[in-house]
Amino acid sequence: QVQLQESGPGLVKPSETLSLTCTVSGDSISSHYWSWIRQPPGKGLEWIGYIYYSGSTNQNPSLKSRVTISVDTSKNQFSLKLSSVTAADTAVYYCARLRGVVPAAMFDYWGQGTLVTVSS
Amino acid sequence: SYVLTQPPSVSVAPGKTARITCGGNNIGSKSVHWYQQKPGQAPVLVICYDSDRPSGIPERFSGSNSGNTATLTISRVEAGDEADYYCQVWDSTSDHVVFGGGTKLTVL
Repeated sequence: QVQLQESGPGLVKPSETLSLTCTVSGDSISSHYWSWIRQPPGKGLEWIGYIYYSGSTNQNPSLKSRVTISVDTSKNQFSLKLSSVTAADTAVYYCARLRGVVPAAMFDYWGQGTLVTVSS
Repeated sequence: SYVLTQPPSVSVAPGKTARITCGGNNIGSKSVHWYQQKPGQAPVLVICYDSDRPSGIPERFSGSNSGNTATLTISRVEAGDEADYYCQVWDSTSDHVVFGGGTKLTVL
């Protein structure tokens, strides 16, 4: 059974960098594209970006200047860094697997999500 | 950038049929995926590629896509179907993922 688990600090200070890691089990990270999605409290889903095991990435243009997504195939993990955070970046952050061919793939497995609060 | 429009809310009585729409320019030419999200939980894929049901999803869930509107249909609605529903496509000009704003389904 494929499982994804987000990990990282739940509290980040304004202007600092948010860092999260997604650990994948039950599947090889080299088999699919992997993505980060976030959801501010009480709001809808926002796609952040995706990565392939080769390191190829694509990001939401609204966040692109602040987002770095990387992959560590030896640990079967991928990571998100979001710089210069503000209160508007407070959200539940999900990692998810993309199944299918980009650009038609679906998110078929999701992590449970982790709440990151930006506050001093 | 490509925009998807969903009604904020839909209400339906138990046992009736709920239809949740997702509007977009020529969305019929794209593959649409639908997700169900219950409070405090991660989204779950309920329809993929317009009308396919992933394993474990009841037959009561179906989808269609034509012209400028994709539709998620839930037949014989149950209390347990109460959730937020999101449509998702790809903006093929940029290979970016696009989500609709979400629809809250209320079972009366």
